[in-house]
Amino acid sequence: NAGVTQTPKFQVLKTGQSMTLQCAQDMNHEYMSWYRQDPGMGLRLIHYSVGAGITDQGEVPNGYNVSRSTTEDFPLRLLSAAPSQTSVYFCASSYGRGEQFFGPGTRLTVL
Amino acid sequence: AQKITQTQPGMFVQEKEAVTLDCTYDTSDPSYGLFWYKQPSSGEMIFLIYQGSYDQQNATEGRYSLNFQKARKSANLVISASQLGDSAMYFCAMREGSNYKLTFGKGTLLTVNP
Repeated sequence: NAGVTQTPKFQVLKTGQSMTLQCAQDMNHEYMSWYRQDPGMGLRLIHYSVGAGITDQGEVPNGYNVSRSTTEDFPLRLLSAAPSQTSVYFCASSYGRGEQFFGPGTRLTVL
Repeated sequence: AQKITQTQPGMFVQEKEAVTLDCTYDTSDPSYGLFWYKQPSSGEMIFLIYQGSYDQQNATEGRYSLNFQKARKSANLVISASQLGDSAMYFCAMREGSNYKLTFGKGTLLTVNP
C-alpha cells in the first residue's frame, strides 16, 4: 500500500494563478480531509469528505474548492492564488473516526 | 475559546529522561477522542497514541503514554526515556461526537539534548 500520496511536493505560483493539489489513498478510507499548516497555527481544516460525492467546509475554506468523485481521490483546487495561501498543505484519510493517516505534504508559495 | 490548548511552545529534556507535554481540551460532548501526532523536521505527520473519552485506562504505546484526566479536561503526553530522535513538534488533536473532523492545537516543539 502506498498510503496517502500527494502531488506535487513543492509548487510556486504567481498571484491569480489557479492550480490543483492532488491527493490519493489506496486504503479504501471513507473519510478524507485537507489541512493547511502555518507557523504557530497548528493544522487547520480546509475541507473534508465523508465519502464519494459528499464534501463539506472546514475552518478555513475560502479560496479553495474540493470534489470527491471516487473513494480514492480528493483534489484541492485553488481558484485564484493569493500570497495568504502560502502554506504547507496536508491531505489525510481515515476509516471511521480513528487515526488519520497523513500524506507527505505540499509546500506552496504564492508570489 | 480554543478547543485544544498546548501551553508549552517549546520544551527541553535530557536524553534518557521522561518528559510531559501538556494538552487541555474544551468540549461539551460526552463522546470524543484525543490524539497525539509527532512531526519531525522532515515534515511528515506521525500518529502516536489515541485516547477515547469512555476508555477506562490511560492509553500506552511503547514509550508513549497518555495521562488522561477527564475532570480536568487534560490529555498530557508522557514520553519515557527520551531519545535524540524524539526531537520534533508534537500536536494534540480532538475529535468530537460523531464527527470525523480533527481540531489541532498549535503544537509543542520538543528538543532532546544529549
